[in-house]
Amino acid sequence: DAGVIQSPRHEVTEMGQEVTLRCKPISGHNSLFWYRQTMMRGLELLIYFNNNVPIDDSGMPEDRFSAKMPNASFSTLKIQPSEPRDSAVYFCASSFSRGSNTGELFFGEGSRLTVL
Amino acid sequence: GENVEQHPSTLSVQEGDSAVIKCTYSDSASNYFPWYKQELGKGPQLIIDIRSNVGEKKDQRIAVTLNKTAKHFSLHITETQPEDSAVYFCAAIGYSSYKLIFGSGTRLLVRP
Repeated sequence: DAGVIQSPRHEVTEMGQEVTLRCKPISGHNSLFWYRQTMMRGLELLIYFNNNVPIDDSGMPEDRFSAKMPNASFSTLKIQPSEPRDSAVYFCASSFSRGSNTGELFFGEGSRLTVL
Repeated sequence: GENVEQHPSTLSVQEGDSAVIKCTYSDSASNYFPWYKQELGKGPQLIIDIRSNVGEKKDQRIAVTLNKTAKHFSLHITETQPEDSAVYFCAAIGYSSYKLIFGSGTRLLVRP
């Protein structure tokens, strides 16, 4: 399996522009997570999907952030408008959760976002 | 909610020595404790995990111990090698939960 695939790997944009990050989870996984990593705050969970349904978006910073999962093989994280403080590495991760047991989380390589 | 504290933040050891990283958690309901290794420019990767019904688990040079009474768990790496240099994260999650809470990370440097 190719693992979790994220694109783009690097994105540099100007403040106010829209940014869309993409993720293809591992085939057969039923849970998908978006994390943000910064030096100051470490790894933060932004949103969690189970069977394509958003279960918990309490980590989404504000209304400028939105995420979708239209099908089991694709998810997007959108920031509109972007701000310099959004600069971070955004990770997508997927897992297969059975019942109440959380399966191993597999992370993508991340999308490094720089907002000027 | 769960809070995971990790220390030290940086650790430098000589090749061949052992390295120990410690974490504490706050939620007594947590029952799954994975450790992730993150190399430069890559995503975190699971290296070992332990569930609450086990006190210790080993995998070659890596071992994890869990003390549920004290609510702390540790990662032990023996005979360290330069390729062990990376950032290590501990994490904890509760039963029937999906939210993996990560520690702040430990940057391990193994000097040749």
